Amino acid sequence: DSGVTQTPKHLITATGQRVTLRCSPRSGDLSVYWYQQSLDQGLQFLIQYYNGEERAKGNILERFSAQQFPDLHSELNLSSLELGDSALYFCASSVGFPGDNEQFFGPGTRLTVL
Amino acid sequence: SQQGEEDPQALSIQEGENATMNCSYKTSINNLQWYRQNSGRGLVHLILIRSNEREKHSGRLRVTLDTSKKSSSLLITASRAADTASYFCATSGGGTSYGKLTFGQGTILTVHP
Repeated sequence: DSGVTQTPKHLITATGQRVTLRCSPRSGDLSVYWYQQSLDQGLQFLIQYYNGEERAKGNILERFSAQQFPDLHSELNLSSLELGDSALYFCASSVGFPGDNEQFFGPGTRLTVL
Repeated sequence: SQQGEEDPQALSIQEGENATMNCSYKTSINNLQWYRQNSGRGLVHLILIRSNEREKHSGRLRVTLDTSKKSSSLLITASRAADTASYFCATSGGGTSYGKLTFGQGTILTVHP
């Protein structure tokens, strides 16, 4: 158990819908990262927050957005869902200055878009 | 896009044998991390090696880093059936990359009892 929690574990929804994935980092970690894992793209970095501020962006679609709240939990919002958005979505957290520390991953949310 | 290339893509060995996985990357890095993933589950952090380090050990794991060749290797000694999983290397660069990790495609390791 990494100490990073993600809810829900599974999510099944229809095209065009909107979903919210939630992540709680390890106690004391200020950085939260979101990654997407799909069969064709592998593991891809989406976005990073550090102490409430966005710090880095990957190839995140405009239909996707995220935020980190004052209590440091984070939410990833996916809207206008398409079949191709079906994937495993991971949250990771790290302590201290971003970039030089281990990232610990949560168990992931498996999103299925029908 | 993937930064790392992992080799081999799949590895099948017997229990007790050693398993070596290699990772190559393209740009300069701050650190390189290895992860294990069991069958579509979460990623388990194995080890982090920084760009100024050449070798690190953790239990049965040995990681080397050669920044001149932009490559790393993960050695699992005396493998067990429970080591069966996918193994990923991930690099963290500097500058505006901050902490984002760029993953390789992974090596699927199968350890037969």
